[in-house]
Amino acid sequence: AQSVTQLGSHVSVSEGALVLLRCNYSSSVPPYLFWYVQYPNQGLQLLLKYTSAATLVKGINGFEAEFKKSETSFHLTKPSAHMSDAAEYFCAVSDPRNTDKLIFGTGTRLQVFP
Amino acid sequence: KAGVTQTPRYLIKTRGQQVTLSCSPISGHRSVSWYQQTPGQGLQFLFEYFSETQRNKGNFPGRFSGRQFSNSRSEMNVSTLELGDSALYLCASSLSGQGEAYTFGSGTRLTVV
Repeated sequence: AQSVTQLGSHVSVSEGALVLLRCNYSSSVPPYLFWYVQYPNQGLQLLLKYTSAATLVKGINGFEAEFKKSETSFHLTKPSAHMSDAAEYFCAVSDPRNTDKLIFGTGTRLQVFP
Repeated sequence: KAGVTQTPRYLIKTRGQQVTLSCSPISGHRSVSWYQQTPGQGLQFLFEYFSETQRNKGNFPGRFSGRQFSNSRSEMNVSTLELGDSALYLCASSLSGQGEAYTFGSGTRLTVV
């Protein structure tokens, strides 16, 4: 069975600082991995996805994530935080043999201070 | 191009009633999934439909059901509502669900009183 663990339910950074949101997965096969962002009272917006191509994936809004098989990790980073990045971020995994279903982590709420 | 449209946005129902939520996917998308989001349980997969067939189902009681029409629009139904069914219900669509990223709607906020 697949699972996702997001370390840290809350992360706070200053504007301009590095953003690092952690995601570790458990999967018996190389998974597909996704990062989504959710702003208040809205649905989820895709930031980026990994589907076994390049291990460093660039997404929207300056975010990127690196797939590290040896560490079973897919951490999300952004070099310089903006106030507009304040939101909840979800890591998700799907099984390439059964891609109809996403398993989500519990989410990390990012706060950005001026 | 229009995104995933969910109606209604907000809904208040009484325990014991039933409710139907609607989802119109992006034009051309044939895979539609439903998720329940609550503060306690997070995002949980309900079911996925492709070409009017349910391909996958999550661990929810039989009170939760869904269907997909020939135009790919989908509905989900919850019968005999319980207080614990209060949640944000999210619909997502993709071309085929085969490793593609899903596009989510804004959700329907259901409150059961």
